[in-house]
Amino acid sequence: EMQLVESGGGLVKPGESLRLSCAASGLTFSSFAMVWVRQAPGGGLQTVSSMSSSGSYIFYADSVKGRFTISRDNAKNSLYLQMNSLRAEDTGVYYCATVTGLGWLDPWGQGTLITVSS
Amino acid sequence: EIVLTQSPGTLSLSLGDRATLSCRASQNVLSNYLAWYQQKPGQAPRLLIYGASSRATGVPDRFSGSGSGTDFTLSIARLEPEDFAVYFCQHYSASPYTFGQGTKLEIK
Repeated sequence: EMQLVESGGGLVKPGESLRLSCAASGLTFSSFAMVWVRQAPGGGLQTVSSMSSSGSYIFYADSVKGRFTISRDNAKNSLYLQMNSLRAEDTGVYYCATVTGLGWLDPWGQGTLITVSS
Repeated sequence: EIVLTQSPGTLSLSLGDRATLSCRASQNVLSNYLAWYQQKPGQAPRLLIYGASSRATGVPDRFSGSGSGTDFTLSIARLEPEDFAVYFCQHYSASPYTFGQGTKLEIK
């Protein structure tokens, strides 16, 4: 069974940093592009960052460019998101997901909650 | 960037009814690269439909997707209790892949 498990969320103050991890199992991790999607309170979904299977193509939403860094370790079947200079508007649940086929997302992890508040 | 607008925001229906959810794109979605997801409270989104009309593994056949270009529809025939949830559309025809704002399907 394909499974993704996120970790690293928590409560932080504005300006602080966090590193999220996503551990994959049951799939050939190195074959898939991966994505971080966040869901702000109130429900909308936003693609925050994505990385191709080899790591050669990276996307960042404008709102996180220069503050967030995506990376992956195919040997460890893991995806990461280093989040610096966190802001209140970064608050939400962060999901990692596998980019399957031509671009749909399946499966998704269970999510990890980030709360940025003073 | 393609903007996806879902309607209605909330849909109130009864068990056994048919639900029709709309997703309209601001630009043509190439090759019908559109997916639908279901999200229940406290859970991650779950893939239902990809390629506008192909059901994901394990998705009941009462769920169907249709449409092309800029107008897409998710239909749910014969609503069952577990179908009441929030539904999102997502395109993957060009970066960035964006989502609609969601339609909440609630029991009337």
